[in-house]
Parts: sequence; C-alpha cells; structure tokens
Amino acid sequence: GAVVSQHPSRVICKSGTSVKIECRSLDFQATTMFWYRQFPKQSLMLMATSNEGSKATYEQGVEKDKFLINHASLTLSTLTVTSAHPEDSSFYICSARVGFDYGYTFGSGTRLTVV
Amino acid sequence: GENVEQHPSTLSVQEGDSAVIKCTYSDSASNYFPWYKQELGKRPQLIIDIRSNVGEKKDQRIAVTLNKTAKHFSLHITETQPEDSAVYFCAASTGSNYQLIWGAGTKLIIKP
Repeated sequence: GAVVSQHPSRVICKSGTSVKIECRSLDFQATTMFWYRQFPKQSLMLMATSNEGSKATYEQGVEKDKFLINHASLTLSTLTVTSAHPEDSSFYICSARVGFDYGYTFGSGTRLTVV
Repeated sequence: GENVEQHPSTLSVQEGDSAVIKCTYSDSASNYFPWYKQELGKRPQLIIDIRSNVGEKKDQRIAVTLNKTAKHFSLHITETQPEDSAVYFCAASTGSNYQLIWGAGTKLIIKP
C-alpha cells in the first residue's frame, strides 16, 4: 500500500533554533500533502495543505513565516519550524491523499520538544 | 467551512458490549467520512470509511452508518474487546483539496 515515511520521529531542540521535518511518499506520487499538529489529548488540527510546485495554503491562525512548507517534488514535502519556542512542542503528522478513491495515508509523526 | 462535532468525548463500556460514537458535519458537499483509531503517540489508523452514496457499511465487528439528510454518521463496535481501547476520530473530506476535517475524538475504555 501507499506509504509515507516521516523523519525524524523525535526531536529535541533548543528554543530559537529551527527544525526540519521530512515526509517522503515511497511508492506513489503525493500531489497534495497535508500537515497536522496534535497537542496532547486533542484532535489533529490541519496546519496547511501543500500542492507540488506551488505555495502552501495555511489555515487561519497558522503563521506561514514560522512554519515553512516546501513541496518541491511529488515525493518529498518538508515542514520547517523556524525559531522554535516551547509552545511549538507538539506531535506533527503529514498525510497524503492516495489517488482518487479518497484514501489517505499518514506519516508516523514527529514528536517535537523545544527546551 | 466544514465543522465536525463528535460525541461522546469519553465512552466506557463493559467488555462484550457495544459502543456507539456519533458525529455530525455541517458541509453538505462533504462526501467521504472515515473513522480512525489512534493509540498514544502513533499515527491514526483507518478502521472503516463510508462514501456519501452509501448508507451503511460493515466490516466484521465494526459498522458505520451515514444519514446525509441529517448530516450525521456513526461508528458502531460490537462485542468490544480490551484491544478496542483507544481514541477514535471521525472526519469528513471537503474542499477542492479534499482536506480532512476532524472531530474532537472519543476515548473508548473497555472495562474487563
């Protein structure tokens, strides 16, 4: 089946530094990638939708200059958290829609801790 | 935009009994409704889904019903087992990019 590989699975960084999270589609072409953030005991919140070769569309309240999304190819999308602060600590998950049958595949998630 | 409401937030049932989780959505254009199970620190796992042209779908102990007129859909789990304990999310697919809009989640607890 369609697989999205997400790295790293865990990262601890110092406040003020930047962190890059990668999602690669291994056996299909991900035209659209969705990026979510999930705080403890909460639901997945859509941060942005990225389409290959174009600028990402950010949800209301998500700072596009802080959460940089690049989707330069059909197999790679990246999320960079710039100048991370403790409040950015969260579980970040990418997801791609597979084909036209509405199925979605998810990365394994990245646990970001900012200290 | 689409809004998905999910109830209850916590559901505790005796092992062997049935569990029902309900969701409502607001956008009549939504046409795909998946249910996910998520264990702590893991990615969501699809357990069943339904499309807008179908009213009911069943897979062994799990079933989903959809009422398009009322804009609600429900997850039914029969003969619950300890391994069914997890957080369950409903979602609705909407928009030109088919974004998933998620419910708030239900923590299902199966009591032995």
